[in-house]
Amino acid sequence: DTEVTQTPKHLVMGMTNKKSLKCEQHMGHRAMYWYKQKAKKPPELMFVYSYEKLSINESVPSRFSPECPNSSLLNLHLHALQPEDSALYLCASSQDSGTLVPYEQYFGPGTRLTVT
Amino acid sequence: ILNVEQSPQSLHVQEGDSTNFTCSFPSSNFYALHWYRWETAKSPEALFVMTLNGDEKKKGRISATLNTKEGYSYLYIKGSQPEDSATYLCAFIDNYGQNFVFGPGTRLSVLP
Repeated sequence: DTEVTQTPKHLVMGMTNKKSLKCEQHMGHRAMYWYKQKAKKPPELMFVYSYEKLSINESVPSRFSPECPNSSLLNLHLHALQPEDSALYLCASSQDSGTLVPYEQYFGPGTRLTVT
Repeated sequence: ILNVEQSPQSLHVQEGDSTNFTCSFPSSNFYALHWYRWETAKSPEALFVMTLNGDEKKKGRISATLNTKEGYSYLYIKGSQPEDSATYLCAFIDNYGQNFVFGPGTRLSVLP
């Protein structure tokens, strides 16, 4: 199984709502990533988890809160978002975070988030 | 802020044509370069991971070369097919995997 799944596919939320995005992989990968992708722009790295520990946080606002409950699951908790946070949120995984060998990343289909 | 550029921004070719595009990246602190293909309504798919200067990789009709000293990589597609239509992204990795930066992509359309 080389699939990364993400739920939900689409999410519309108000600025006062709390919601969560979910990502799952069963490839035994030990590194998982969250990216944000705005229209006609490349994906921007937000967070990296390596062996269930947060290893990279690219200065992301605290209204985005990642969580890695186990090696197969990655969540992104959302609270008090702004309309400019509307984007495609992509999850990816790799064998590890590349400290020795830079493994390719496997991407999920993304969650299209709209903040109203 | 790391600057990763790709050219051209978009490209239209006829079926059967061969084509190539470029990814430019900082030549210092290089660790690795990834190439991904991203078809509309699908997930980005890894094509190549390149780490050594002079690397050449091939997968079917697609190949890539790497020059870390001058900071560029070329992606070649031989005999383009309509199913090759996608956005091709390169991603630069430096400092032992601590920074991942995608280029803006080259959007390829192959006309039948």
